[in-house]
Formats: sequence, structure tokens, C-alpha cells
Amino acid sequence: QKEVEQNSGPLSVPEGAIASLNCTYSDRGSQSFFWYRQYSGKSPELIMFIYSNGDKEDGRFTAQLNKASQYVSLLIRDSQPSDSATYLCAVVVSGGYNKLIFGAGTRLAVHP
Amino acid sequence: EAEVAQSPRYKITEKSQAVAFWCDPISGHATLYWYRQILGQGPELLVQFQDESVVDDSQLPKDRFSAERLKGVDSTLKIQPAELGDSAMYLCASSFLLPPNTGELFFGEGSRLTVL
Repeated sequence: QKEVEQNSGPLSVPEGAIASLNCTYSDRGSQSFFWYRQYSGKSPELIMFIYSNGDKEDGRFTAQLNKASQYVSLLIRDSQPSDSATYLCAVVVSGGYNKLIFGAGTRLAVHP
Repeated sequence: EAEVAQSPRYKITEKSQAVAFWCDPISGHATLYWYRQILGQGPELLVQFQDESVVDDSQLPKDRFSAERLKGVDSTLKIQPAELGDSAMYLCASSFLLPPNTGELFFGEGSRLTVL
């Protein structure tokens, strides 16, 4: 079982809609969760992080965390074509020095 | 704005040859990471340094890969000999603090390796 799992997509949504991206993780001890965005041919960049159960909002982005279900999600409201990218879920895995483990990413396509 | 510098941006080599990638992290960042990203996959951690010490290299293929950060600043990742399956983007990243304190890793532009 992979440590961080995501649906590879592509997830296609119309402009203005809500895009919902999901991620599950295997390390029950993980406490910190991150969403990175990666445009084609570019490096990942951090969008949001979440540590506590519940929702965390930042502009059009909302991260949701459910530790009991080992589930993290990212909602993008009012999706724009510029949001078209791959979204990487990343989880801090503990043990010795903590390390950040990435999922395979979900490709999002927002069409006008 | 401070950036993570990587070179070369692109490298084409034949299998069995040696290749090397260089990374200069953001000044003051003690933690440096090398990730490998195969097309269509997420970044895979190869090695993590804290200052000059390797703190995780569990996924580094040590028979052919080596990494060093001699003075705790810049770093070199070497592959010898290169194999076809090594074709990927090699991403260097740095952070001021170890995760999970912020989790924000600052990535360089990457070095794309093609092995023929």
C-alpha cells in the first residue's frame, strides 16, 4: 500500500465550478498535511497546509482533514482555467527525522 | 527573491555514463532534499540532509547513486552508471525548518535527465 494515494484524474470541471480533490494516507501517526500545485513542466509550490481535523480556508481554497478516516481533501471554489495543474497531496511521515512524502497527484483541467 | 538553484536544467546521456547534478539551497536553509519525479508520478524522496549529515536515504539506490553536502550548503547528486530507468526530473528542495513545522519546501526548477 502506498503511503499517500490520490486519484490520478484527470478531473475535468467547468469554469466557475467547485473542484474536489481527495487524498488518503496510510500512516495513522501523521499529523501534518500539505497541498502543492504543480504546473506542467514546473516545480511544485505550496498551496496550503492543515494540521487539525476540520476545514481550513484560504481564499478560494479549502483544505479538509479527517484523521480518523485518514483522509485529506482540497476544494477549489470558482475554478479558473489558471487552476489547471496537477495537485499533489503530501504527508509528513514520522520516524527518526520527519520526511515529506508526496502522492502521485491529481491532474485538474478547468475548461471555459 | 531567494531561490533554489539547480544545474544543469537538462542533461542527455547514454546509459552506463556518469551524471551529476548540483543544487544550491536558499541561504540559511539547513534542510536539503533531493526528489526524483518520473513523468506522471509524484516526487519520490531520494535523500534528505540536515546540514551536512544525511538523515534519510532509504530510497536512494546506493549501488549507483550518491549524494553529498560537504559543507552543509550546496549539494551534488551523482549517478554512475546511468540506466534507462533513471530518466526523470531531479528536484532539489530546501526548507528552513524540518517538516512538519511548516512543511513548506522550496523547490528548484529541476534537472531533467534523459538516458538513451
